[in-house]
Amino acid sequence: NAGVMQNPRHLVRRRGQEARLRCSPMKGHSHVYWYRQLPEEGLKFMVYLQKENIIDESGMPKERFSAEFPKEGPSILRIQQVVRGDSAAYFCASSPPSPADTQYFGPGTRLTVL
Amino acid sequence: QKEVEQNSGPLSVPEGAIASLNCTYSDRVSQSFFWYRQYSGKSPELIMSIYSNGDKEDGRFTAQLNKASQYVSLLIRDSQPSDSATYLCAVTSRAGKLIFGQGTTLQVKP
Repeated sequence: NAGVMQNPRHLVRRRGQEARLRCSPMKGHSHVYWYRQLPEEGLKFMVYLQKENIIDESGMPKERFSAEFPKEGPSILRIQQVVRGDSAAYFCASSPPSPADTQYFGPGTRLTVL
Repeated sequence: QKEVEQNSGPLSVPEGAIASLNCTYSDRVSQSFFWYRQYSGKSPELIMSIYSNGDKEDGRFTAQLNKASQYVSLLIRDSQPSDSATYLCAVTSRAGKLIFGQGTTLQVKP
């Protein structure tokens, strides 16, 4: 039973470019969450999605960041016009329908902005 | 006041000893509590979940919850060098949003 999958594992972008991070949840899981971990900081919640719905985006920066979880395919976290401060590890987690709050994390995408 | 607080450590214990990791939270309506382990450069790995007051044991790990004191702890018995990692306490008051503490770094010395 494959775990949460994320790709790419490492992503390098220059300032002003776009970054697209992908996440496939565990089989049977219908909830996806994105977290960001800045260097030497804790994990911060960004967004919670179910298929075709954003449930909670209270942790998403107001500009440049967006997330989706389409009916088919992986969840995508999109960062437009990246800046150096976006350099971080981005983790995706998924949970089953019940208990919905037990979250399992993927390996993460390490984003480096040059 | 941070929503979830942990002592950053490092907490250093000798091999075979009991490691005690502590966490306090500020939101009284918090319902679910988790401990994750994170090795350097890796992703968080779920160790324990606890939902009601008291102790919950799983192998060498015991989670303890006291909602009146807003306190949750993790005990690791017979600590091994492979237990050396950062331990993250996480709390949720509603489904979806995990709030993490800064983590406690544990060092188990052979």
